[in-house]
Amino acid sequence: DAGVIQSPRHEVTEMGQEVTLRCKPISGHNSLFWYRQTMMRGLELLIYFNNNVPIDDSGMPEDRFSAKMPNASFSTLKIQPSEPRDSAVYFCASSLSPQGSGNTIYFGEGSWLTVV
Amino acid sequence: GENVEQHPSTLSVQEGDSAVIKCTYSDSASNYFPWYKQELGKGPQLIIDIRSNVGEKKDQRIAVTLNKTAKHFSLHITETQPEDSAVYFCAADNFNKFYFGSGTKLNVKP
Repeated sequence: DAGVIQSPRHEVTEMGQEVTLRCKPISGHNSLFWYRQTMMRGLELLIYFNNNVPIDDSGMPEDRFSAKMPNASFSTLKIQPSEPRDSAVYFCASSLSPQGSGNTIYFGEGSWLTVV
Repeated sequence: GENVEQHPSTLSVQEGDSAVIKCTYSDSASNYFPWYKQELGKGPQLIIDIRSNVGEKKDQRIAVTLNKTAKHFSLHITETQPEDSAVYFCAADNFNKFYFGSGTKLNVKP
C-alpha cells in the first residue's frame, strides 16, 4: 500500500510568495495531521482533521497559515504571504481513528520549505 | 496540555552495545506511547509502541517499558548496529493529539 504522499518534496520561494503544500493520506484513514519540524522547536502539531473536519487548529502559528481538507484523500496547507521564519520541514500524517485515542499515525516524507 | 521530555539529546555507543532513551510525560490521561525513528531526509517511522495497560513490549532487538505510576517510558535497543544511527522520538497520545519529545540523536560507531 502507498504511504502518505506529500508534494512538493522541496520548495524554495521568495519572501511574500504564496506556498501550497499538498498531502494524500493513506487510503481508508480518516484522521489527518499537519506537523512542522524545526531544529529549535522540534515536531509541532499545526492542525488536525477528523473525517475532513478541522478538529484542532490551535497550533497554526498565525493567520498567514491555512489548511483545508476538501475530501478524504486530499489536504492542503497554505502559507500566504511566506516569511523566512516559515522555513522548515512540513510533515503530513494520517491515522485510522475510531472514537478514542491510541491509533498509530503514519508520516509522509515531508516537504522541505525554504523561504529566502 | 501534555508535556513530554526526552533524554539524552545525543547518545553515542559502540556497535554491539545497548542504547537506552528515556521519556517522561505529565498527563496521566495519556494512554498510548509510540516511538519513531527518523533517518536523514525522511519522515519519522514507527518502530514500536506500547499502550497504558502493558508494562513492557519487545520486538527483536527493540523493547519499550512503561511505568504509569512514575509517568515514564523507555526505549531499549540491544546489539546496536550502524544502521540504528538516526534520531529517535518518543510521543504520548492524549486524546488523539500526539505530543513529541525533542528527539535523541543516536550514533552507533562501527
